Order: sequence, then C-alpha cells, then structure tokens
Amino acid sequence: GESVGLHLPTLSVQEGDNSIINCAYSNSASDYFIWYKQESGKGPQFIIDIRSNMDKRQGQRVTVLLNKTVKHLSLQIAATQPGDSAVYFCAEFSSGTYKYIFGTGTRLKVLA
Amino acid sequence: DGGITQSPKYLFRKEGQNVTLSCEQNLNHDAMYWYRQDPGQGLRLIYYSQIVNDFQKGDIAEGYSVSREKKESFPLTVTSAQKNPTAFYLCASGTSGVADTQYFGPGTRLTVL
Repeated sequence: GESVGLHLPTLSVQEGDNSIINCAYSNSASDYFIWYKQESGKGPQFIIDIRSNMDKRQGQRVTVLLNKTVKHLSLQIAATQPGDSAVYFCAEFSSGTYKYIFGTGTRLKVLA
Repeated sequence: DGGITQSPKYLFRKEGQNVTLSCEQNLNHDAMYWYRQDPGQGLRLIYYSQIVNDFQKGDIAEGYSVSREKKESFPLTVTSAQKNPTAFYLCASGTSGVADTQYFGPGTRLTVL
C-alpha cells in the first residue's frame, strides 16, 4: 500500500464515537477551504468545503468549523465507522495567489 | 475518483529514462493540475493549466514537463533531470474560478530503480 501517511499524527476513536480532526492553516488571506479523505494507495476524495464568509457547514455525518481569528479548521465526523479510517487533510485556497496549500494530514483509525 | 483517470497505477523506471504519466478527465473542467505526494508532506504543485495550450510552473517544476493540447488531457513527463522522482503523483482537475474545487485522480506510484 501507499506509505504517504507513514509519519502522520494518528487519531484513534472507537466505532460509533464522534471524531474531531484539526488543521491549522497558514494564510490569513485564504478564502476557501476543503477537507479531503485519502485511503491508502488512492487519490484524495473531496469531503466538504467552506468559504471564509462562513463559520460552519454541515454535510452528511460531517461538519466543518472555521475559526478565522486563530486560523483553525476542524472536521467533525459523527458516529465514526470503520470505513472512515483514512488520512484526512485540509487544503486552503487564496484567490489572491490562486493556489492551494495542503496540510500534511492526520490518520484516523477506527477501533471496533 | 470521479471522472479523472490516471495511468498506469504503478510505474517503474530506470535511472536516466524519461517517463510520461497520463491524466484524462471527462468532467469538462478547464483547469488541471499535477501534484507530487511524499510521505509526511503535503501535496506539492508541479504544474497547472487553466486553459488548453497554456500551463504554468508550480512550486517544484524542475525536472518535469507537461503539455495541454486537449481539454481532457494533461500528461506529465518526468525527465532524467528530476533528481528524486520516486513518489506518488496525483492529477487533479477543477472549474476555473475564484475558488476552484479540485477533484483528484487515483494517482500513479512511480518508482525509479
């Protein structure tokens, strides 16, 4: 399998519990943010996004929170399932530079 | 993976050889991107293209080349000038705009022997 997540921080949660994955972003001018899920050996999968004029956005079982004051983004996964096990990383986008900056990611392990 | 395909999934190359990675999308996206992913690091941008027949260098373009002759296709050539080419390569596409949501392909794992 892909060794992309070999040295990443790991969050272990019990199946059925809620998970919170955090991300500190770097550019205060970033105006768009995405959370991706990446399983071993696969490409990143879009989960949810949020624009800088919002503080919170909800999807199916996932919620993203944005705190611009401290440049912090979080992903909450409700009722975590074994299929949620993967590496999760955030991406920030700035309209000024028209570039994405990607976080290194957090590995989520769901314990049965 | 959506409508983005990359081939091959695994690729082996001898030192000194050029190799081309394929990326095709049927999402009608204007913008396409190539990233490199190494263990413990965030994705790094190699090249991107916002429109056919035009492309721009990313942060780590040295040793790589691209072309964008068709909207659907954005092949990446890893040349012998790339000092450390072994990595996982990801292609992405998106709609050009103020905020361009990027969708990724399944990736190609390149190993230099």
